[in-house]
Amino acid sequence: RKEVEQDPGPFNVPEGATVAFNCTYSNSASQSFFWYRQDCRKEPKLLMSVYSSGNEDGRFTAQLNRASQYISLLIRDSKLSDSATYLCVVSPWGATGANNLFFGTGTRLTVIP
Amino acid sequence: DVKVTQSSRYLVKRTGEKVFLECVQDMDHENMFWYRQDPGLGLRLIYFSYDVKMKEKGDIPEGYSVSREKKERFSLILESASTNQTSMYLCASSFTGTFGSPLHFGNGTRLTVT
Repeated sequence: RKEVEQDPGPFNVPEGATVAFNCTYSNSASQSFFWYRQDCRKEPKLLMSVYSSGNEDGRFTAQLNRASQYISLLIRDSKLSDSATYLCVVSPWGATGANNLFFGTGTRLTVIP
Repeated sequence: DVKVTQSSRYLVKRTGEKVFLECVQDMDHENMFWYRQDPGLGLRLIYFSYDVKMKEKGDIPEGYSVSREKKERFSLILESASTNQTSMYLCASSFTGTFGSPLHFGNGTRLTVT
């Protein structure tokens, strides 16, 4: 089983819709979670860090469910500019030992006019 | 804002050439990383460093080496480039903290080996 799994999508949603992605992780000791956004042929950019139950930044909300070992990303009022691939990253032991970061393969979102 | 700068955006090299990819960060981060990203495979860790002159192998170190002579600079070396090393290479840095610290990525080097 992979350390981190994401539904690859693609998710095609109309502008203004609410969309949610899930990311499941296998190590129950995981402590730090990150969502990155990656545009086509560009580098990943940090969208949100989650260290406790969740985090919110404007239209974006991340929620952590430790019992079921998943973290979700909710995007409200989708914009065309939200079209990108969203990567989930999990750190099992909290401290950034460099090989303690596990990446999902990403979920692709396309927002349609 | 953290800045991680990779020396080249695009590179085309021939099979057998020695290739140097350079990365510089300006935030005094202890940790630096090299990843490659391929369609369907996601990001894979090649090497990382948690201090000057320190290096550790990642998941796919074969065919690569690294150098970290100064804290801000981490170089990836392809000793003898091969076509299966055609990929997007991403450098990243982070600081060492009590909780996991996010990675900050450079803008990537798209390497083509012909």
